[in-house]
Amino acid sequence: EAQVTQNPRYLITVTGKKLTVTCSQNMNHEYMSWYRQDPGLGLRQIYYSMNVEVTDKGDVPEGYKVSRKEKRNFPLILESPSPNQTSLYFCASSLSRTGNGYTFGSGTRLTVV
Amino acid sequence: KQEVTQIPAALSVPEGENLVLNCSFTDSAIYNLQWFRQDPGKGLTSLLLIQSSQREQTSGRLNASLDKSSGRSTLYIAASQPGDSATYLCAVSLRLMDSNYQLIWGAGTKLIIKP
Repeated sequence: EAQVTQNPRYLITVTGKKLTVTCSQNMNHEYMSWYRQDPGLGLRQIYYSMNVEVTDKGDVPEGYKVSRKEKRNFPLILESPSPNQTSLYFCASSLSRTGNGYTFGSGTRLTVV
Repeated sequence: KQEVTQIPAALSVPEGENLVLNCSFTDSAIYNLQWFRQDPGKGLTSLLLIQSSQREQTSGRLNASLDKSSGRSTLYIAASQPGDSATYLCAVSLRLMDSNYQLIWGAGTKLIIKP
């Protein structure tokens, strides 16, 4: 089954403790992206990657890092999480960067206390 | 700067009714527009995609229209069912100066269909 897999689904952590949210896709998509979703706001892009070793900042990259060492994986790293990073995070992949054919992961609900 | 607005934020209707969800955007220079569905605990699912040259797209009981000149799109749901209850999001794709594309999202309309 074609899918984007995110882990963990839920995470509660403390301020300053480094964490990684994993994202993996099995569709051989070149384009991958991370979003955060907050109440009353649309999805906001954190980082995106157009191919292996090619990553770029989205609208809200501060406090986040990503890497794309393999085509299928695109982990999101929070080096020193803060409470304002409490949010619902989605990873997505697509064949095209135009927005066509997006497949989303099920989301990771992160709480930073 | 492109902004996407969805009004109302929430809508509750009885089962069987036809309904319309609205999406407006401020810049008509879009590449495409999509409607997504979001269910609690699940990811987003693309419902319909309308290219900038198109006026509408249909899939089953869903029909999406696009009027670029007025900066509006509607999602029409016919004969609503409780299973249609979800949050519906609208997103426009913009082509940037460097030939990249960016999706700009609305905040969504939470739809509840009452049995």
